Amino acid sequence: GQNIDQPTEMTATEGAIVQINCTYQTSGFNGLFWYQQHAGEAPTFLSYNVLDGLEEKGRFSSFLSRSKGYSYLLLKELQMKDSASYLCAVSPDKLIFGTGTRLQVFP
Amino acid sequence: DAGVIQSPRHEVTEMGQEVTLRCKPISGHNSLFWYRQTMMRGLELLIYFNNNVPIDDSGMPEDRFSAKMPNASFSTLKIQPSEPRDSAVYFCASNRGLNQPQHFGDGTRLSIL
Repeated sequence: GQNIDQPTEMTATEGAIVQINCTYQTSGFNGLFWYQQHAGEAPTFLSYNVLDGLEEKGRFSSFLSRSKGYSYLLLKELQMKDSASYLCAVSPDKLIFGTGTRLQVFP
Repeated sequence: DAGVIQSPRHEVTEMGQEVTLRCKPISGHNSLFWYRQTMMRGLELLIYFNNNVPIDDSGMPEDRFSAKMPNASFSTLKIQPSEPRDSAVYFCASNRGLNQPQHFGDGTRLSIL
């Protein structure tokens, strides 16, 4: 079967660092994506990992361990505008999305 | 560059009516995806096309749902007859191919009364 797990909700303080974890079990693997979705808006692409290791893009980084079926999204120097849902999605062939982690950033 | 364009943005209709959602993918993208998003079930893939050909429609909930892509720049998702449980946000997305980021339209917020 296909299964993607993420925490449902997280909270953090402005300026802090937060790590959002994602574990997956899929019948195949061609890559893992992270998307950001603000309330009432469409998902937007954040990062893509296909090989093990860390991909850094500004304040956001994403890590992948294929042997462990594990990824995380790291957000640094949190800002209020980072309050959103973060969706982990795995591609065996088509994209399968997790249910998302709702992050609330407080002042 | 224009993004993925969906219409209408909002649709409210009575159960039993036919609903047609429209999508224009980004020019040059050869894969198109239809998703449904609800609080309970999250983002679910309904169907996707590659080069205008339906590749996987296993996510289409039942025969009331159908999708077409008559050319590279247009796709429709039709629900006939509609039911209240079809109420959701429907997203269309496109990309250049396998393992490329998908770009989402703004979605259609559908309410079936």
